[in-house]
Amino acid sequence: DAMVIQNPRYQVTQFGKPVTLSCSQTLNHNVMYWYQQKSSQAPKLLFHYYDKDFNNEADTPDNFQSRRPNTSFCFLDIRSPGLGDAAMYLCATSVDESYEQYFGPGTRLTVT
Amino acid sequence: GENVEQHPSTLSVQEGDSAVIKCTYSDSASNYFPWYKQELGKRPQLIIDIRSNVGEKKDQRIAVTLNKTAKHFSLHITETQPEDSAVYFCATLTPTGFQKLVFGTGTRLLVSP
Repeated sequence: DAMVIQNPRYQVTQFGKPVTLSCSQTLNHNVMYWYQQKSSQAPKLLFHYYDKDFNNEADTPDNFQSRRPNTSFCFLDIRSPGLGDAAMYLCATSVDESYEQYFGPGTRLTVT
Repeated sequence: GENVEQHPSTLSVQEGDSAVIKCTYSDSASNYFPWYKQELGKRPQLIIDIRSNVGEKKDQRIAVTLNKTAKHFSLHITETQPEDSAVYFCATLTPTGFQKLVFGTGTRLLVSP
C-alpha cells in the first residue's frame, strides 16, 4: 500500500504559470519534507514542516511556498515557474527528524 | 555545516562481483548514516542504515561499515546482480539543531550480465 502519495506524477506548466504539487501520507508522521532533484544530482531540501512549524532552507527561492493544512497533506506551490525549476519534486515523511525518511514517488515538473 | 563526499561517481562491475562505495563526512558529531538506492525515474529507497554505536551492519548481500575515527562509511554489495544497477546515495543527519539529511553526490552503479 502506498504510504506517501504524490499527485500528479507528471506536471507540465508554462513559464510563469503558477503550479501546485501535492503530497499525502498515511503514516501519520510528524515531519514532511519537500526536495528538489535535478538530473544526476542528489535531492536538495527546500523546506520541511514539523507538525505545523514551517522551516525554509536559507537558499530556497522565494518563488517556492508550501502549505500543510493537516497532518496528512502538504502542498508545494511554485508561484512563477522558470525553466530552471524543471525537476523531480520529492515529498518525504518521517516520524521524527532523526528517523528514516520515506519518500514519495515524486512529481516530474516540466516548464515550457 | 556538514559535508559529505562520495566516491566513485560511477562504478561498473560484472555480475557476481562485489561493489564498494565510500563516503566521508566532516562533522564528528554525526551519528546516523543511511544509504539510499534510486532506480531511474523512481523514488530514493532506504536500503540500509547504521548508527554510530555500531561499526558494521549487514542485510543479506548488503553491508555498511562505519569508521568514526576516520569519519568515513562504506556500502558493500556482494554477488552483484543486474537489478542492483541504480544510483546510490549516502547521507548523514546534521547532528545539531533540526536534523536534516545531507546527501553525498551519488554513485551510478552498473552491473553487467
